Amino acid sequence: EAGVTQFPSHSVIEKGQTVTLRCDPISGHDNLYWYRRVMGKEIKFLLHFVKESKQDESGMPNNRFLAERTGGTYSTLKVQPAELEDSGVYFCASSSLRQGLGTDTQYFGPGTRLTVL
Amino acid sequence: AQTVTQSQPEMSVQEAETVTLSCTYDTSESDYYLFWYKQPPSRQMILVIRQEAYKQQNATENRFSVNFQKAAKSFSLKISDSQLGDAAMYFCAYSLLSGNTPLVFGKGTRLSVIA
Repeated sequence: EAGVTQFPSHSVIEKGQTVTLRCDPISGHDNLYWYRRVMGKEIKFLLHFVKESKQDESGMPNNRFLAERTGGTYSTLKVQPAELEDSGVYFCASSSLRQGLGTDTQYFGPGTRLTVL
Repeated sequence: AQTVTQSQPEMSVQEAETVTLSCTYDTSESDYYLFWYKQPPSRQMILVIRQEAYKQQNATENRFSVNFQKAAKSFSLKISDSQLGDAAMYFCAYSLLSGNTPLVFGKGTRLSVIA
């Protein structure tokens, strides 16, 4: 079974440019999460999709970030325009949808390392 | 808000020895989950072990075990018989008991294994 995949693995862009990151979750996983790790800091939650709906986007830094999950399959995270502080590693994770209490393991992708110059 | 603290940025251990990684957390919830994730160099983050707070028994997975002290809000990871492949970044994480919630991570501990 294929794991969570992310594309690209690395991206180097100039300040003010646009970048789109893609995440393909494990097939059948309705939950999809985006996280970000800035160097030396904690991995921080950005947002959570359940199927195609945004369940929680409380971690999104500002309106320069736009996430979509059309059809409830893969997701994209667009940064427009990129700023220096957006540099970091962007992780995607997916898990099965659990009804009620309990939580299923989140499976992580390898991350996209974004560098904004 | 929940927070997770890993006070050891870096640790090292001799091959075949035992090492303990520390993690403390803060929450007002009585039931929750705790996790240790491992990220080897240039590879994906994988789950090492998880603990349900309502279970008193400490979780174990082969050479990996935890010391869960609920009152002290402490969740340390012990790696026994360390192997070269254990070298990685280790992240402690927390989540609420209610399903489908995001993880709250610590800053991570980089573990080196010396041959």
